[in-house]
Amino acid sequence: GAGVSQTPSNKVTEKGKYVELRCDPISGHTALYWYRQSLGQGPEFLIYFQGTGAADDSGLPNDRFFAVRPEGSVSTLKIQRTERGDSAVYLCASSLTGTGMGGGYNEQFFGPGTRLTVL
Amino acid sequence: QQPVQSPQAVILREGEDAVINCSSSKALYSVHWYRQKHGEAPVFLMILLKGGEQKGHDKISASFNEKKQQSSLYLTASQLSYSGTYFCGTELISNFGNEKLTFGTGTRLTIIP
Repeated sequence: GAGVSQTPSNKVTEKGKYVELRCDPISGHTALYWYRQSLGQGPEFLIYFQGTGAADDSGLPNDRFFAVRPEGSVSTLKIQRTERGDSAVYLCASSLTGTGMGGGYNEQFFGPGTRLTVL
Repeated sequence: QQPVQSPQAVILREGEDAVINCSSSKALYSVHWYRQKHGEAPVFLMILLKGGEQKGHDKISASFNEKKQQSSLYLTASQLSYSGTYFCGTELISNFGNEKLTFGTGTRLTIIP
């Protein structure tokens, strides 16, 4: 069975440009998470979807970051007016119904990530 | 709020044991452990729940001390395949219901033959 996939695997852009990062979760997983990981650091939570709705977007750094999941499967992370500090690996993960107590303690399956470099 | 892991890095010979610790300044509902190999995605190892229940790995064990707000991961008779960076992810009681994991600072484990 297919795992979580992310496209593109690498994205190089110039400061000020707009980028979209795509995540295809495991089929049937209702929970989807976006993380950002800088070199030598753990994944940093950005946003969590349950179905189509963003249940927790408290990790989005500012209003340049936005994510959608319109049909409850594929999700897109959108970054406007990119800055050099946005450079990182963006990870997506999905879980059957959720990873905490409310979701039933299911594991998160991570995708391979998108390496974003802002020049 | 980020949990602190110790040690930051450790080098072992194959067959030796290791303990990785994860400490939080906030009360925890659960602790999740993941291993990440260089250039790859994190892979789930196990979940420890408030109350003592565990879900996860056959060959790796862990403990969760709720009072001390910490968890320890035990790797016994280490194999070359255990090499990687280990992260704990914590579910804070204060964040209960919102499914958010806060990952720790990471522990890099290197196993040499």
